[in-house]
Amino acid sequence: DGGITQSPKYLFRKEGQNVTLSCEQNLNHDAMYWYRQDPGQGLRLIYYSQIVNDFQKGDIAEGYSVSREKKESFPLTVTSAQKNPTAFYLCASSGQAPKGESGANVLTFGAGSRLTVL
Amino acid sequence: AQKVTQAQTEISVVEKEDVTLDCVYETRDTTYYLFWYKQPPSGELVFLIRRNSFDEQNEISGRYSWNFQKSTSSFNFTITASQVVDSAVYFCALSEVYTGRRALTFGSGTRLQVQP
Repeated sequence: DGGITQSPKYLFRKEGQNVTLSCEQNLNHDAMYWYRQDPGQGLRLIYYSQIVNDFQKGDIAEGYSVSREKKESFPLTVTSAQKNPTAFYLCASSGQAPKGESGANVLTFGAGSRLTVL
Repeated sequence: AQKVTQAQTEISVVEKEDVTLDCVYETRDTTYYLFWYKQPPSGELVFLIRRNSFDEQNEISGRYSWNFQKSTSSFNFTITASQVVDSAVYFCALSEVYTGRRALTFGSGTRLQVQP
């Protein structure tokens, strides 16, 4: 079955360490996204990528980095510069919107990765 | 800039009660899409509905219904005869057509607890 796989599901990190969260999709979707979820704040966009080898900053990109070397993969690195990294991270992807319906993309989400900084 | 407000942080109802989740949005685009997603305890968001800004017809899907009112910039979601399995966090989201960003902006979510 097609879907999005995020790993690890749970991750613990010491302060000052970089960590990389994996996101793989086999839906043949062009676009991929990373969101961060904190209690009471909903989902906030970190980075997104519409096509391989291209990505854009979202609303809270500081302290994070991404790469998009392959269509199916969009890893997120949480760097030591991220001051408050403890959160639930969600990866999503979407296919091409129907012609004339830009913005209509339905996002498919992974099960998330919970990062805790000790 | 676009914004989505879900003023209800948490709602608790007893099974079989009807419940409405509010969503108010802000956008400067004349063309946009609105979405509702459900996040059960497992954490994975599940798509429920998408609506474009030109279609103000209300939609019903089983026990779920959606009321889109452009005049008040609202896209409310009603669950009729709620069930325990409806317990989840529900998110409203907005996507604009003419901005350069092709990503959803989410509200802060409403946690619904349905008691047996």
